Amino acid sequence: DTEVTQTPKHLVMGMTNKKSLKCEQHMGHRAMYWYKQKAKKPPELMFVYSYEKLSINESVPSRFSPECPNSSLLNLHLHALQPEDSALYLCASSQGWGGGDTQYFGPGTRLTVL
Amino acid sequence: EDKVVQSPLSLVVHEGDTVTLNCSYEVTNFRSLLWYKQEKKAPTFLFMLTSSGIEKKSGRLSSILDKKELFSILNITATQTGDSAVYLCAVATADRGSTLGRLYFGRGTQLTVWP
Repeated sequence: DTEVTQTPKHLVMGMTNKKSLKCEQHMGHRAMYWYKQKAKKPPELMFVYSYEKLSINESVPSRFSPECPNSSLLNLHLHALQPEDSALYLCASSQGWGGGDTQYFGPGTRLTVL
Repeated sequence: EDKVVQSPLSLVVHEGDTVTLNCSYEVTNFRSLLWYKQEKKAPTFLFMLTSSGIEKKSGRLSSILDKKELFSILNITATQTGDSAVYLCAVATADRGSTLGRLYFGRGTQLTVWP
Protein backbone atom coordinates (compact mmCIF):
# COMPACT_ATOMS: atom_id res chain seq x y z
CA ASP A 1 0.00 0.00 0.00
CA THR A 2 1.53 3.28 -1.10
CA GLU A 3 -1.37 5.51 -0.18
CA VAL A 4 -1.14 9.00 1.22
CA THR A 5 -4.51 10.53 2.05
CA GLN A 6 -5.35 14.21 2.31
CA THR A 7 -8.43 16.06 3.54
CA PRO A 8 -10.28 18.04 2.50
CA LYS A 9 -10.14 17.62 -1.27
CA HIS A 10 -11.32 21.17 -1.83
CA LEU A 11 -11.30 24.18 0.47
CA VAL A 12 -12.58 27.69 -0.05
CA MET A 13 -11.71 30.23 2.63
CA GLY A 14 -11.73 33.92 3.23
CA MET A 15 -8.67 35.93 4.12
CA THR A 16 -9.71 36.13 7.78
CA ASN A 17 -10.47 32.43 8.23
CA LYS A 18 -8.42 29.80 10.03
CA LYS A 19 -8.41 26.33 8.50
CA SER A 20 -6.26 23.21 8.52
CA LEU A 21 -5.18 20.71 5.91
CA LYS A 22 -4.59 17.14 6.98
CA CYS A 23 -2.36 14.41 5.61
CA GLU A 24 -2.04 10.81 6.73
CA GLN A 25 0.09 7.83 5.76
CA HIS A 26 0.33 4.35 7.25
CA MET A 27 3.38 3.11 5.41
CA GLY A 28 5.75 3.66 8.30
CA HIS A 29 7.45 6.45 6.42
CA ARG A 30 9.64 8.72 8.54
CA ALA A 31 9.75 11.75 6.27
CA MET A 32 6.75 13.85 5.31
CA TYR A 33 6.54 16.87 3.06
CA TRP A 34 4.26 19.76 2.11
CA TYR A 35 4.38 21.12 -1.42
CA LYS A 36 2.52 23.96 -3.09
CA GLN A 37 1.68 23.70 -6.77
CA LYS A 38 0.33 26.52 -8.90
CA ALA A 39 -1.34 25.85 -12.24
CA LYS A 40 1.06 24.64 -14.95
CA LYS A 41 4.02 24.81 -12.55
CA PRO A 42 5.96 22.03 -10.82
CA PRO A 43 5.47 21.40 -7.09
CA GLU A 44 7.41 23.73 -4.80
CA LEU A 45 8.70 22.39 -1.52
CA MET A 46 7.39 24.15 1.59
CA PHE A 47 8.30 22.00 4.60
CA VAL A 48 10.02 18.72 5.40
CA TYR A 49 9.52 16.73 8.58
CA SER A 50 11.82 13.89 9.44
CA TYR A 51 11.13 11.80 12.51
CA GLU A 52 8.34 14.24 13.42
CA LYS A 53 10.73 17.19 13.59
CA LEU A 54 10.69 20.12 11.22
CA SER A 55 13.86 19.82 9.20
CA ILE A 56 13.33 22.19 6.28
CA ASN A 57 11.27 25.36 6.05
CA GLU A 58 11.70 26.89 2.61
CA SER A 59 11.17 30.46 3.86
CA VAL A 60 7.43 29.96 3.92
CA PRO A 61 5.37 32.87 5.34
CA SER A 62 4.19 32.43 8.91
CA ARG A 63 0.57 32.37 7.81
CA PHE A 64 1.35 28.71 6.99
CA SER A 65 2.07 26.69 10.12
CA PRO A 66 2.95 22.99 9.86
CA GLU A 67 2.46 20.46 12.60
CA CYS A 68 3.40 16.80 12.88
CA PRO A 69 1.44 15.30 15.83
CA ASN A 70 2.82 11.81 15.22
CA SER A 71 4.69 9.80 12.62
CA SER A 72 1.56 9.17 10.54
CA LEU A 73 -0.01 12.61 10.53
CA LEU A 74 0.95 15.95 9.09
CA ASN A 75 -1.14 19.10 9.34
CA LEU A 76 -0.87 22.48 7.70
CA HIS A 77 -2.61 25.27 9.61
CA LEU A 78 -3.70 28.25 7.55
CA HIS A 79 -4.42 31.74 8.86
CA ALA A 80 -4.86 35.12 7.19
CA LEU A 81 -4.06 33.78 3.73
CA GLN A 82 -3.91 35.88 0.60
CA PRO A 83 -5.60 35.19 -2.74
CA GLU A 84 -2.20 34.39 -4.26
CA ASP A 85 -1.99 31.44 -1.86
CA SER A 86 -4.67 29.69 -3.90
CA ALA A 87 -3.06 26.51 -5.22
CA LEU A 88 -2.98 22.73 -4.99
CA TYR A 89 -1.34 21.69 -1.73
CA LEU A 90 0.33 18.32 -1.92
CA CYS A 91 1.51 16.12 0.90
CA ALA A 92 4.14 13.45 0.30
CA SER A 93 5.99 10.88 2.35
CA SER A 94 9.06 8.74 1.95
CA GLN A 95 10.63 5.88 3.84
CA GLY A 96 13.72 7.85 4.69
CA TRP A 97 14.91 11.37 4.18
CA GLY A 98 18.23 10.87 2.49
CA GLY A 99 17.12 11.62 -1.06
CA GLY A 100 17.40 8.01 -2.14
CA ASP A 101 13.83 7.19 -1.22
CA THR A 102 10.81 7.60 -3.44
CA GLN A 103 8.34 10.24 -2.37
CA TYR A 104 4.70 9.22 -2.65
CA PHE A 105 2.15 11.95 -3.07
CA GLY A 106 -1.37 12.35 -1.76
CA PRO A 107 -4.21 13.54 -4.01
CA GLY A 108 -3.85 17.10 -2.83
CA THR A 109 -6.14 19.78 -1.45
CA ARG A 110 -7.33 22.39 -3.93
CA LEU A 111 -7.34 25.64 -1.94
CA THR A 112 -9.09 28.80 -3.05
CA VAL A 113 -8.64 31.99 -1.03
CA LEU A 114 -11.26 34.65 -1.65
CA GLU B 1 18.16 29.16 -12.07
CA ASP B 2 16.57 25.85 -13.00
CA LYS B 3 18.42 22.84 -11.73
CA VAL B 4 16.24 20.38 -13.67
CA VAL B 5 15.33 21.12 -17.27
CA GLN B 6 12.79 19.12 -19.21
CA SER B 7 12.17 19.13 -22.93
CA PRO B 8 10.03 19.47 -24.81
CA LEU B 9 7.63 21.45 -22.64
CA SER B 10 4.72 20.31 -24.77
CA LEU B 11 4.22 17.43 -27.17
CA VAL B 12 1.21 16.39 -29.28
CA VAL B 13 1.16 12.96 -30.91
CA HIS B 14 -1.31 10.44 -32.28
CA GLU B 15 -2.13 7.11 -30.74
CA GLY B 16 0.46 4.50 -31.57
CA ASP B 17 3.34 6.95 -31.80
CA THR B 18 6.50 6.55 -29.73
CA VAL B 19 7.67 9.53 -27.68
CA THR B 20 10.89 10.40 -25.88
CA LEU B 21 10.89 12.89 -23.04
CA ASN B 22 14.13 14.46 -21.89
CA CYS B 23 15.39 15.58 -18.51
CA SER B 24 18.77 17.17 -17.82
CA TYR B 25 19.98 18.25 -14.44
CA GLU B 26 22.73 20.05 -12.61
CA VAL B 27 22.76 19.50 -8.87
CA THR B 28 25.23 18.71 -6.13
CA ASN B 29 24.97 15.62 -3.97
CA PHE B 30 22.84 13.73 -6.49
CA ARG B 31 21.02 10.74 -5.01
CA SER B 32 18.39 9.71 -7.54
CA LEU B 33 16.20 10.83 -10.42
CA LEU B 34 12.49 10.20 -10.40
CA TRP B 35 9.80 10.34 -13.05
CA TYR B 36 6.21 11.10 -12.15
CA LYS B 37 3.00 11.25 -14.17
CA GLN B 38 0.54 13.97 -13.20
CA GLU B 39 -2.96 14.07 -14.55
CA LYS B 40 -5.45 16.27 -12.78
CA LYS B 41 -4.20 15.82 -9.27
CA ALA B 42 -1.26 14.30 -7.47
CA PRO B 43 1.89 13.10 -9.21
CA THR B 44 2.00 9.33 -9.41
CA PHE B 45 5.34 7.61 -9.23
CA LEU B 46 6.73 5.95 -12.35
CA PHE B 47 10.44 5.25 -11.91
CA MET B 48 13.38 5.94 -9.66
CA LEU B 49 16.83 5.77 -11.24
CA THR B 50 20.08 5.74 -9.34
CA SER B 51 22.55 3.95 -11.59
CA SER B 52 23.72 4.87 -15.08
CA GLY B 53 22.87 2.72 -18.05
CA ILE B 54 20.35 0.45 -16.37
CA GLU B 55 17.01 0.66 -18.13
CA LYS B 56 13.87 0.45 -16.04
CA LYS B 57 10.71 -0.76 -17.76
CA SER B 58 7.06 -0.86 -16.86
CA GLY B 59 4.80 -1.96 -19.67
CA ARG B 60 5.13 0.53 -22.52
CA LEU B 61 7.20 2.94 -20.41
CA SER B 62 10.94 2.78 -19.97
CA SER B 63 13.60 5.09 -18.63
CA ILE B 64 17.36 5.30 -18.41
CA LEU B 65 19.85 7.55 -16.65
CA ASP B 66 23.23 8.85 -17.79
CA LYS B 67 25.06 10.20 -14.75
CA LYS B 68 28.08 11.23 -16.77
CA GLU B 69 26.11 13.44 -19.14
CA LEU B 70 23.56 14.32 -16.42
CA PHE B 71 20.36 13.42 -18.19
CA SER B 72 17.58 10.92 -18.33
CA ILE B 73 15.01 9.96 -20.93
CA LEU B 74 11.53 8.56 -20.56
CA ASN B 75 10.23 6.55 -23.52
CA ILE B 76 6.61 5.70 -24.14
CA THR B 77 5.87 3.29 -26.98
CA ALA B 78 2.51 2.71 -28.68
CA THR B 79 1.03 5.75 -26.95
CA GLN B 80 -2.61 5.75 -25.89
CA THR B 81 -4.98 8.58 -25.07
CA GLY B 82 -4.67 7.60 -21.42
CA ASP B 83 -1.01 8.57 -21.54
CA SER B 84 -2.03 12.22 -21.87
CA ALA B 85 -0.63 13.95 -18.79
CA VAL B 86 2.19 16.10 -17.51
CA TYR B 87 5.35 14.07 -16.99
CA LEU B 88 7.52 15.47 -14.22
CA CYS B 89 11.20 14.75 -13.73
CA ALA B 90 12.60 15.30 -10.25
CA VAL B 91 16.12 14.98 -8.93
CA ALA B 92 16.71 14.01 -5.31
CA THR B 93 19.71 15.35 -3.46
CA ALA B 94 21.11 15.00 0.00
CA ASP B 95 21.85 18.30 1.70
CA ARG B 96 25.51 18.85 2.42
CA GLY B 97 26.27 18.20 6.04
CA SER B 98 23.12 16.21 6.65
CA THR B 99 21.33 13.20 5.39
CA LEU B 100 18.24 15.22 4.62
CA GLY B 101 17.19 15.01 1.00
CA ARG B 102 14.98 17.15 -1.17
CA LEU B 103 13.46 16.94 -4.64
CA TYR B 104 14.05 19.47 -7.39
CA PHE B 105 11.33 19.31 -10.03
CA GLY B 106 11.50 20.22 -13.67
CA ARG B 107 8.65 22.18 -15.25
CA GLY B 108 7.22 19.05 -16.81
CA THR B 109 6.36 17.93 -20.31
CA GLN B 110 2.69 18.19 -21.27
CA LEU B 111 1.96 15.16 -23.45
CA THR B 112 -1.26 15.09 -25.44
CA VAL B 113 -2.18 11.92 -27.32
CA TRP B 114 -4.91 12.27 -29.95
CA PRO B 115 -6.98 9.26 -30.96
